[in-house]
Amino acid sequence: GQQVMQIPQYQHVQEGEDFTTYCNSSTTLSNIQWYKQRPGGHPVFLIQLVKSGEVKKQKRLTFQFGEAKKNSSLHITATQTTDVGTYFCAGGDHMLTFGGGTRLMVKP
Amino acid sequence: GEEVAQTPKHLVRGEGQKAKLYCAPIKGHSYVFWYQQVLKNEFKFLISFQNENVFDETGMPKERFSAKCLPNSPCSLEIQATKLEDSAVYFCASSQSGQARQPQHFGDGTRLSIL
Repeated sequence: GQQVMQIPQYQHVQEGEDFTTYCNSSTTLSNIQWYKQRPGGHPVFLIQLVKSGEVKKQKRLTFQFGEAKKNSSLHITATQTTDVGTYFCAGGDHMLTFGGGTRLMVKP
Repeated sequence: GEEVAQTPKHLVRGEGQKAKLYCAPIKGHSYVFWYQQVLKNEFKFLISFQNENVFDETGMPKERFSAKCLPNSPCSLEIQATKLEDSAVYFCASSQSGQARQPQHFGDGTRLSIL
């Protein structure tokens, strides 16, 4: 079955530093979605990418979908303490197959 | 409602007891999904419904797990004869349609602890 891998598992950064998480799928994806889960919270939808090579920005967040539609990345510029949480990528045509998530910790 | 409502927030059961979790999807959403999140953050898909009908149950451990979505009632996920390994947070999500391009809206989850 489809597998989605995410690296790194954890990332500690100083406030103001940049952060990137990478997502790789074992199969070509029709789309990829990104979710953020705060500690003790639930996944919150951030964005969806559909087209090969697509790049989308949300303020300090930049999302990319690979040309082969098998990988994706999320980059945060100048992290803030409010960015703390676990970022998940997820793919699938109906139910979502989640990556293992990258837990971001930001030191003020 | 505008949010997926899950009850209870926490549920503690002794091993072998039954556990029942509830989920009210966002009004107007046709699809409901159940996921299990274990301690290492891994999400496991359990089952999905299109209105009252099971759409995909490939993730369900059928021996002890069952789920329903009945008209005019919250959806439910029931676990018979719970085991220690069932301890997890169970999330319900809903979407307008079951297609890949629809984001899923998650409830706050039910934390199930099996003692």
